[in-house]
Amino acid sequence: DAGVTQSPTHLIKTRGQQVTLRCSPKSGHDTVSWYQQALGQGPQFIFQYYEEEERQRGNFPDRFSGHQFPNYSSELNVNALLLGDSALYLCASSFFLDRDDSYTFGSGTRLTVV
Amino acid sequence: AQSVTQLGSHVSVSEGALVLLRCNYSSSVPPYLFWYVQYPNQGLQLLLKYTSAATLVKGINGFEAEFKKSETSFHLTKPSAHMSDAAEYFCAVSDPRNNDMRFGAGTRLTVKP
Repeated sequence: DAGVTQSPTHLIKTRGQQVTLRCSPKSGHDTVSWYQQALGQGPQFIFQYYEEEERQRGNFPDRFSGHQFPNYSSELNVNALLLGDSALYLCASSFFLDRDDSYTFGSGTRLTVV
Repeated sequence: AQSVTQLGSHVSVSEGALVLLRCNYSSSVPPYLFWYVQYPNQGLQLLLKYTSAATLVKGINGFEAEFKKSETSFHLTKPSAHMSDAAEYFCAVSDPRNNDMRFGAGTRLTVKP
């Protein structure tokens, strides 16, 4: 049973560019949450998608946007990249109606902005 | 909104010693609480969770945590540290109404031989 898959694992972008990160949830999960983890910090909640809609959003600017597809996979888009966007981006999946279930995390995408 | 405070960004213990990692939470509703572990360049792995059943929760690798509502705490313990326990540990709180999970800043555990 495949867990959460994120791609790519690493990428380097130039300041001002745009980036798209992808996430395939664990089989049976229908909810995807995205987190940003800066070096030495805890994961910061970006947003959560369920039924192809953004359900919750953390304190991130509109440069951060997302999408969820009918197969529950998700994308995170970041526009106008800043040096401060360099971080590990984690995707977590869960089953929306099973509220006491924990998240399953992917291994993350390491984004470096130069 | 709920939040978590982890006391001590870095904890160092000797192999075989007690491990105690502190976590206090804030939540407007009865929360769900979690401890995750992260090894370098990896995602987060669930150690244990509290979801309103028994207040003493046992997890993987000999870890356990006790939910204390009066103290708004969910501290993680392990009786005897092993070298393989060296990692970053994150406490998290979830709102059961919407599955919104928030993390603490983390505690780096170092185990000395």
